[in-house]
Amino acid sequence: ILNVEQSPQSLHVQEGDSTNFTCSFPSSNFYALHWYRWETAKSPEALFVMTLNGDEKKKGRISATLNTKEGYSYLYIKGSQPEDSATYLCAFRTSGSRLTFGEGTQLTVNP
Amino acid sequence: GAGVSQSPRYKVAKRGQDVALRCDPISGHVSLFWYQQALGQGPEFLTYFQNEAQLDKSGLPSDRFFAERPEGSVSTLKIQRTQQEDSAVYLCASGGQFTNTEAFFGQGTRLTVV
Repeated sequence: ILNVEQSPQSLHVQEGDSTNFTCSFPSSNFYALHWYRWETAKSPEALFVMTLNGDEKKKGRISATLNTKEGYSYLYIKGSQPEDSATYLCAFRTSGSRLTFGEGTQLTVNP
Repeated sequence: GAGVSQSPRYKVAKRGQDVALRCDPISGHVSLFWYQQALGQGPEFLTYFQNEAQLDKSGLPSDRFFAERPEGSVSTLKIQRTQQEDSAVYLCASGGQFTNTEAFFGQGTRLTVV
């Protein structure tokens, strides 16, 4: 059974704050780590696919790092805006095709 | 359309009723996945197709769940004799042939069994 854990479960920040959250996953049989943003009533939106240890990816104010040896990834949001409010999901992939998701971090950015 | 389309968006079923959930993947996408997300949980894998072949159905929770993709495009997830514990959001995703490519999700179908 693959265990993907995300923390914190929920987070409330003020507009302009920078924030980060964690995804931990099994360090064996690693193939890829995916991050998604899921806003209410919308489709989960793909943010990053990360495959190499030490990978750092950036999209606007959002960035992510990957450590496959110790089994964790961080997602950072710089200068949070209310439109960043969403649930952020990470998903772990072994060499098979299925994604194993964490329970998500629910971010609320207050104006 | 450009994205993955699922219908209906919302479905209320009486316990014991059969339901069918539809997924229209992105045109040309080889891979298609179904996930189930219960309240407060992350999405959980149900089944995976590559073209019309169902390569993995190990996540289907019981023999009341059945999925098909007869022509390698549109897929249907059928749930027979629905139970209250089947209430969840059912997500469909499609992707390319290779396992390190993105999976693009639809908006999901929220099923409520009363």
